[in-house]
This record gives sequence, structure tokens and C-alpha cells, in this order.
Amino acid sequence: AQKITQTQPGMFVQEKEAVTLDCTYDTSDPSYGLFWYKQPSSGEMIFLIYQGSYDQQNATEGRYSLNFQKARKSANLVISASQLGDSAMYFCAMRDLAKTSYDKVIFGPGTSLSVIP
Amino acid sequence: EPEVTQTPSHQVTQMGQEVILRCVPISNHLYFYWYRQILGQKVEFLVSFYNNEISEKSEIFDDQFSVERPDGSNFTLKIRSTKLEDSAMYFCASSEEIQGGNTIYFGEGSWLTVV
Repeated sequence: AQKITQTQPGMFVQEKEAVTLDCTYDTSDPSYGLFWYKQPSSGEMIFLIYQGSYDQQNATEGRYSLNFQKARKSANLVISASQLGDSAMYFCAMRDLAKTSYDKVIFGPGTSLSVIP
Repeated sequence: EPEVTQTPSHQVTQMGQEVILRCVPISNHLYFYWYRQILGQKVEFLVSFYNNEISEKSEIFDDQFSVERPDGSNFTLKIRSTKLEDSAMYFCASSEEIQGGNTIYFGEGSWLTVV
């Protein structure tokens, strides 16, 4: 069975500093996708970044980058130059891509990030 | 940028009442999902829907829940007889079929409060 672990329930970071949010996953499927979503206090779920299990390079999207270490089964999110608006809940998620009917995304428990001015 | 839209954004209902949550997925997407998030807890999968039928459902998705796509654009979640524990944020999501990667996009959610 697939499982996502986020060991940091809460994190603090100084504005303009970089922060790494940890995510480890467990799956026996050879082909999978890893996602990070941001959930601000308003509640919506915002897609940030995607990494495929066969992608050769780590994904980057603006200030977000994904430190993908396949052998360790980790997919940490790095946010550079933190901004006050980055304060939110961050969810790591995974999806099996091997099935012909595209499978659901399963979520980790989340990490609450607070950016300090 | 295309987005998933959900209505209502917030609904308060009495226990035992029926509730319908509506979603308009992104227009070229083929796969549709409902998730829920009880306050302060993790996001839980409810059901996935493809080709006008349920492709997978979780243990949470019991006989009180149903989904349908009545007119080719809306995707609805119905809770027949709401319970207090159904109070949660309900997210609709959709994805298209692309080999090698397929992001699931979420709507802004519908807060359901059962009193």
C-alpha cells in the first residue's frame, strides 16, 4: 500500500530565507508521481510542483524546487526566499501512474509553515 | 487559467438533510474526484469517476454518498442523510489523461457544516 510521511508537523522560517519541507513515501509501484500542494488558511488546495518517478531532473517551479532522491524515497520541497504569503499548510502527495485508470492522489498529514517577518 | 469551480463555498445543513455539492471540472479533463478534509485532519480520498462511472471509492464513501455527472459539465456529490461527522471541507478535483504525468487540480472547496 502507498503511504506518505511528513515528519514535521510545524516549521518556522525567517522571511527571505530558504526552507526545506520533508516528505518520504512508500510504494511498490514502479511508476508514480509526486506532488506538493499548498493550503492557505482560506482552505483552497493549490498545486505547486510535480515530479515523476522517471524524471531525470529535479522539478523546479519558480521559488519551489523538489529534491527528489528516489533510492531514499524522499521528495522534499525547497522554498527559496520565503515570503510572508508562504505561511500555509503544505501537503506532499503521491499518485500511482502504472494503472490504466489514473489512480487517486493520496496525501501526507501536512506540514504547517509559518514565515516570520 | 482554467480552474475547477465548486458551489456552494459554504453550506450549513441540519442533520438528516440531503446535501448536493456541485463542481465544474476543467473542460478537457476526463477524471474527476471528490476528497474531504475534516477540520485539522488530513485530506481523504472519497471517490474517483471516469467515463460516467465510479472507478474507485474509499471506505468512507458508503451508501449515503453518490456522485453523478448529469449534464456533461457538472460533477455532483450527494449526501443523502447528513450526519454530524460529515462536517468537513469537500474538494472536487479533476485531471486529464497525459502519459508521463498528470496533475490533479483541486477546486477551492465547499465547507459543509452539519448541525
